[in-house]
Amino acid sequence: GENVEQHPSTLSVQEGDSAVIKCTYSDSASNYFPWYKQELGKRPQLIIDIRSNVGEKKDQRIAVTLNKTAKHFSLHITETQPEDSAVYFCAACFSGTYKYIFGTGTRLKVLA
Amino acid sequence: DTEVTQTPKHLVMGMTNKKSLKCEQHMGHRAMYWYKQKAKKPPELMFVYSYEKLSINESVPSRFSPECPNSSLLNLHLHALQPEDSALYLCASSLPRGGQATDTQYFGPGTRLTVL
Repeated sequence: GENVEQHPSTLSVQEGDSAVIKCTYSDSASNYFPWYKQELGKRPQLIIDIRSNVGEKKDQRIAVTLNKTAKHFSLHITETQPEDSAVYFCAACFSGTYKYIFGTGTRLKVLA
Repeated sequence: DTEVTQTPKHLVMGMTNKKSLKCEQHMGHRAMYWYKQKAKKPPELMFVYSYEKLSINESVPSRFSPECPNSSLLNLHLHALQPEDSALYLCASSLPRGGQATDTQYFGPGTRLTVL
């Protein structure tokens, strides 16, 4: 069935270093891939998204890459800051549906 | 305005109570969602309404009953819940007029539900 795997489950980096989180999806018909950041007790907030007709998208310190052949996409955060500490979820939306399947989440800790 | 609002913020109820969660958006979105999120887990899709019609029910127990009175409002009626139903319930919306089914979802702040 539809599935999104996310790795790693936890990630600790030193402030200023880069962080990379990877997701793999099962349905090749997926065409929209958002990334959400969720701080403790808060709602998931969209930080970046990519559609299947694009291979890479960047917004300041955040970038997402998509490999349709391998069915995986990755979040890259450069020059990490303590305020980047949160849980990050990837998601995939299957073409023609309203169904968003979430990855299991990555707890990112940025150490000052 | 990219805001989805939810009330109440917190709800404590007994297993015999009937209560309702409310969600509202004024972005003109045509799809609205209910998710359940347990601690340290991803949001889990429960229901989707598109154009005010129920389009997805992820085999949710009948003690949860969704309702979409109009394109801006979404309710979740709760009855005879179990302690394991305690969770954060998130509402979301997407699909602006002229948009695609895979448009950006915006989440509300959630209702933290505790069932005693």
